[in-house]
Amino acid sequence: QVQLVESGGGVVQPGTSLRLSCAASGVPFSRYGMHWVRQAPGKGLEWVAVIWYDGSDQNYANPVKGRFTISRDNSKNTLYLQMNSLRVEDTAVYYCATDGGSYYGVYVFEKWGQGTLVTVSS
Amino acid sequence: QSALTQPRSVSGSPGQSVTISCTGTSSDVGAYSFVSWYQQHPGKAPKFIIYDVSERPSGVPDRFSGSKSGNTASLTISGLQAEDEADYYCCSYAGTYTWLFGGGTTVTVL
Repeated sequence: QVQLVESGGGVVQPGTSLRLSCAASGVPFSRYGMHWVRQAPGKGLEWVAVIWYDGSDQNYANPVKGRFTISRDNSKNTLYLQMNSLRVEDTAVYYCATDGGSYYGVYVFEKWGQGTLVTVSS
Repeated sequence: QSALTQPRSVSGSPGQSVTISCTGTSSDVGAYSFVSWYQQHPGKAPKFIIYDVSERPSGVPDRFSGSKSGNTASLTISGLQAEDEADYYCCSYAGTYTWLFGGGTTVTVL
């Protein structure tokens, strides 16, 4: 049973930091590239960041570049998102997702967690 | 980079077909065959239903089909069923390891 469980969300003030985690089980975590995708309340999905299966490279969407850092610990089957200098517009449910691996390819978001809500408000 | 353009809503009666368009540019949808579609029921995580423009993952009913022409991709749901009522999002690889989602389309089963 594949499970991705996000944690670390909460209510924070603008300008502060937060770190999200995504714990994976039932999946060979170290074989998958991993993504963060967010969804503002009542809005659509927005891709945030990607990290290679081995952590060797990362990339970010322009709105978060320079403020967010994606990382992973394959020994703990855990993905992270360090979010600094948070803004009101970062308020969203944050989902972690695997890529499609060797079966569906690296350009698809195959398995998703249930998300964790981050609210940035003064 | 702007989000891909989808209609806000489409509707159909049970058994009918509906098609959702997803318009991008020659830098994303038009440049790559890496368009995917996601179904999201209220309060739930998205579920991927189409990848590589027209491929269906295992377990997805064959009433869901995808296609692409130029800068526009499409998702067709044939034989619409009540459980198909949901939000649908397209997504395209946009090069240099970035991805773009559409704004989402709400499908209503009348």
